[in-house]
Amino acid sequence: DAGVIQSPRHEVTEMGQEVTLRCKPISGHDYLFWYRQTMMRGLELLIYFNNNVPIDDSGMPEDRFSAKMPNASFSTLKIQPSEPRDSAVYFCASSFAQGNSNQPQHFGDGTRLSIL
Amino acid sequence: RKEVEQDPGPFNVPEGATVAFNCTYSNSASQSFFWYRQDCRKEPKLLMSVYSSGNEDGRFTAQLNRASQYISLLIRDSKLSDSATYLCVVNWSGGSYIPTFGRGTSLIVHP
Repeated sequence: DAGVIQSPRHEVTEMGQEVTLRCKPISGHDYLFWYRQTMMRGLELLIYFNNNVPIDDSGMPEDRFSAKMPNASFSTLKIQPSEPRDSAVYFCASSFAQGNSNQPQHFGDGTRLSIL
Repeated sequence: RKEVEQDPGPFNVPEGATVAFNCTYSNSASQSFFWYRQDCRKEPKLLMSVYSSGNEDGRFTAQLNRASQYISLLIRDSKLSDSATYLCVVNWSGGSYIPTFGRGTSLIVHP
């Protein structure tokens, strides 16, 4: 079975450039999550979608970050302009709800982002 | 935001040892609980769900204590391959589904 697919796996770019991270969730999953992980702050939830609608974006650090989910099989996380402090591993995860219970999330391989 | 706390460790144990981790959460309106494992430079992977009655999967046992608001993970007969970071996850209920990860507990199993 195909899992969560993220691209690119690695991204190195200069500060000020626009960065776009992509995610394809597992088919049939109606929740999609974007996380950022650093040594200092651990795994942080940035935003999540339910049925393509953003539900909670309180974790998005600032206006330079934006996320979209135009359809059930695709989401993007954009950083514009990028800064060195945005360097981190960005994970996408998906899950589904079964009755009143939310099932566990499945993670993609992550994108290692380095902003020079 | 709701809090999930874990002892970061590291827990340094010999092969064959039994080791236990706890994870405390701050909000009683929690819905579901999971343990994840994360290897260095890899994504978190689901280890096991945590059920109210407790559950076991081979050498791993997970328990939930709602009264004291913590979950635990017990690993028996530790293997070198168990070395990883173990993350607990709490999903909050109450109209908004917000999964919250702990910072993780590092386990090092040595020969």
